[in-house]
Amino acid sequence: DIQMTQSPSSVSASVGDRITIACRASQDISTCLAWYQQKPGKAPKLLIYAASSLQSGVPSRFSGSGSGTRFTLTISSLQPEDFATYYCQQAHSVSPLTFGGGTKVEIK
Amino acid sequence: QVQLQESGPGLVKPSQTLSLTCTVSGDSISSSTYYWGWIRQPPGKGLEWIGRIDMSGTIDYNPSLKSRVIITLDTSKNQFSLRLRSATAADTAVYYCARDRGYGDYPGGRHFYGVDVWGQGTTVIVSS
Repeated sequence: DIQMTQSPSSVSASVGDRITIACRASQDISTCLAWYQQKPGKAPKLLIYAASSLQSGVPSRFSGSGSGTRFTLTISSLQPEDFATYYCQQAHSVSPLTFGGGTKVEIK
Repeated sequence: QVQLQESGPGLVKPSQTLSLTCTVSGDSISSSTYYWGWIRQPPGKGLEWIGRIDMSGTIDYNPSLKSRVIITLDTSKNQFSLRLRSATAADTAVYYCARDRGYGDYPGGRHFYGVDVWGQGTTVIVSS
């Protein structure tokens, strides 16, 4: 299995802050990576695909970067609706597709 | 607008088969090039990919579940289904059906386009 390690596991931040979440793959996954946002009791929502492409309808304050084994999700100016849990997912290997453990963004 | 809706029993007895169906509206699963898949989330935990299927007959399963899981398509009803046999308490989770957009190749690499449509999720508890 390709292991996906996210850091930090949680972060406390204020509205307007810039935050960065890291995701590291245990082997090269090219740009076969997506990022999701999940709010309590809701299904995940696709934010970023192909490591750096913004999904339609997602605010431009979200951005993704990286390739190979190191990836980041950045929120340039945190908004109240951004407090949620974020997951990365690799799809380079389908045995199995794997998610990171999640990063919870909390209000400071 | 594409929508997915899970349905099935919310309570399953241990050793029985967990069966869920996902009804797709706004898109035809028989004419699309997407994967149709299942992902679950145990209470208070992260996301676990179960498997996916496409119209070409490609089926991928999580190796940790492969011996117990079957995913099928019913194009006449525009539905796809999950069957997980020999259920245990460890299978208690919120189950999501989802549309996976798959891949695109470019010189020197490959993109993954992500899981862009999710059902609302259905809670399944395995308990006697």
